[in-house]
Amino acid sequence: GAVVSQHPSWVICKSGTSVKIECRSLDFQATTMFWYRQFPKQSLMLMATSNEGSKATYEQGVEKDKFLINHASLTLSTLTVTSAHPEDSSFYICSARAGDNEKLFFGSGTQLSVL
Amino acid sequence: DAKTTQPPSMDCAEGRAANLPCNHSTISGNEYVYWYRQIHSQGPQYIIHGLKNNETNEMASLIITEDRKSSTLILPHATLRDTAVYYCIVRVAGNDMRFGAGTRLTVKP
Repeated sequence: GAVVSQHPSWVICKSGTSVKIECRSLDFQATTMFWYRQFPKQSLMLMATSNEGSKATYEQGVEKDKFLINHASLTLSTLTVTSAHPEDSSFYICSARAGDNEKLFFGSGTQLSVL
Repeated sequence: DAKTTQPPSMDCAEGRAANLPCNHSTISGNEYVYWYRQIHSQGPQYIIHGLKNNETNEMASLIITEDRKSSTLILPHATLRDTAVYYCIVRVAGNDMRFGAGTRLTVKP
């Protein structure tokens, strides 16, 4: 099956710093990528949808200025958590699909811990 | 997209079939049924999907009732590595994918 690579797997940072998470589709071109967040013992929550070359669409309650998403190419999307705070500590997961009728493939996730 | 209802947890003996139910009584004609699973601290893994016919692949079988209001994911011979949270998602092709609470399947020796 298709492979989505997500890096880093885990990151620890100080409060106030910014963290960038990369999501790459390794063997297909991803027209659309999605970013999710998951708190312990909870389900995945969709944060935003990004289409290559256009601005991301954020879900209600997700601050677009805090969670910057860039989808500059068909194989790469990045999520930058700006001025991270302890409450941003979470498991962040990206997913990608090749076209509207295609199933989604997920990255392995990034565990962010903000001290 | 239609909402789904799954039992919060299930147990299954190793080597036996695991049958995971999902209710989606408000499903519309162009919505597919997808199943994903998430093993602890990993990203979700695609299992199978279908529209109205039963489907089978190397991982599982998907049985969709004739009225499409419910479905069952079948893992024919569960192993300890199948312990995970299983998500049933109903979605129109092209839409985003939203996750419910899922079913936590525990396979026991």
